[in-house]
Amino acid sequence: DQQVKQNSPSLSVQEGRISILNCDYTNSMFDYFLWYKKYPAEGPTFLISISSIKDKNEDGRFTVFLNKSAKHLSLHIVPSQPGDSAVYFCAASGGNTGKLIFGQGTTLQVKP
Amino acid sequence: NAGVTQTPKFQVLKTGQSMTLQCAQDMNHEYMSWYRQDPGMGLRLIHYSVGAGITDQGEVPNGYNVSRSTTEDFPLRLLSAAPSQTSVYFCASSYRRRDAEYFGPGTRLTVL
Repeated sequence: DQQVKQNSPSLSVQEGRISILNCDYTNSMFDYFLWYKKYPAEGPTFLISISSIKDKNEDGRFTVFLNKSAKHLSLHIVPSQPGDSAVYFCAASGGNTGKLIFGQGTTLQVKP
Repeated sequence: NAGVTQTPKFQVLKTGQSMTLQCAQDMNHEYMSWYRQDPGMGLRLIHYSVGAGITDQGEVPNGYNVSRSTTEDFPLRLLSAAPSQTSVYFCASSYRRRDAEYFGPGTRLTVL
């Protein structure tokens, strides 16, 4: 049973427009959420995180929104740039172990 | 700092062979973990360690062993390789269990 789901395998946007990547989770014990970015043949790199006590966190062009009642988080990239083209993973942790559970990933393509 | 290093980058094994994937970090991180990435499955936690001498199982531990004799090193052992273990393996580390993790570049393993 997938506890963290990214239902869109891919997303294509035009350079300069907004990219919105979505993530849903099922475990109400999750209280810390992260987004990672991964280029081909490289390891994932941490992008941004949010704690469940917040509903929004911004870092430059990247904003993560958390809707706890809907068990949904989203990553907004504004404006999108070609260098943002990568696979984006959301991840969640919570409870005693704090182990990270990852979604399947969404491949973002930003077209010039 | 070299960050998280993994060796080898690529490996081909025959069914039944054993091998060790090496992982090292030079950031004095307490928490280290191993993930495997498979198409459509995201990253799945194999084993993790919260400090030297302490290891525990993740989501998919079967067929893998780990040990943590030093803070720096966290090798992953495949005792008897199976084709189902064909995957890309990532090692990661962080200061503490719930911090964002730094990932290594990955090892691409093929089991024939």
